Amino acid sequence: AQSVTQPDIHITVSEGASLELRCNYSYGATPYLFWYVQSPGQGLQLLLKYFSGDTLVQGIKGFEAEFKRSQSSFNLRKPSVHWSDAAEYFCAVGSYNQGGKLIFGQGTELSVKP
Amino acid sequence: EPEVTQTPSHQVTQMGQEVILRCVPISNHLYFYWYRQILGQKVEFLVSFYNNEISEKSEIFDDQFSVERPDGSNFTLKIRSTKLEDSAMYFCASTMGGANTGELFFGEGSRLTVL
Repeated sequence: AQSVTQPDIHITVSEGASLELRCNYSYGATPYLFWYVQSPGQGLQLLLKYFSGDTLVQGIKGFEAEFKRSQSSFNLRKPSVHWSDAAEYFCAVGSYNQGGKLIFGQGTELSVKP
Repeated sequence: EPEVTQTPSHQVTQMGQEVILRCVPISNHLYFYWYRQILGQKVEFLVSFYNNEISEKSEIFDDQFSVERPDGSNFTLKIRSTKLEDSAMYFCASTMGGANTGELFFGEGSRLTVL
């Protein structure tokens, strides 16, 4: 079955600390992978995407993610978290053949403490 | 920067009533979607729409749901007879398609509360 797992429901980090949000997927086809962020009252904003090529992808707001096919993972990282990064983060998987049908993870809520 | 806009931002309705959620996708996009997120649950795919017809729909998208692109700009989701379990945040999304397939641009959502 196709699925996305974000094992951490809620993470708290200190401002300036590094961050890693985990994402594992199960998907039959060659995956397209995405991280979206949702701030309170806002829509889903695309942080970064992986379609093919270099397995380390850079996104907006200083985020990056690494695709590891052997581990079926696409973890999101940021070297130094800012208070404005507090939000909910969603990992999603799709494929070219699935068009825009994305499968989302449960989401990880990030809190940033001063 | 172009964006997907949705109205209303919040709608409260009585069970059994019809609801129409409206979306204006990004103007040069060709593929349109509705997703929903029940409180505390995952964002779920409902339906995709291309070339004036449904491309794919999930099992959630039963006969109570319909989508329409009545003109060149709007994309609507209609729920004919709302149920309590339809209470959710509904997201509209659009994409150019082609090489960017899957890179969806989402609206801010319409929160539907069914009483």
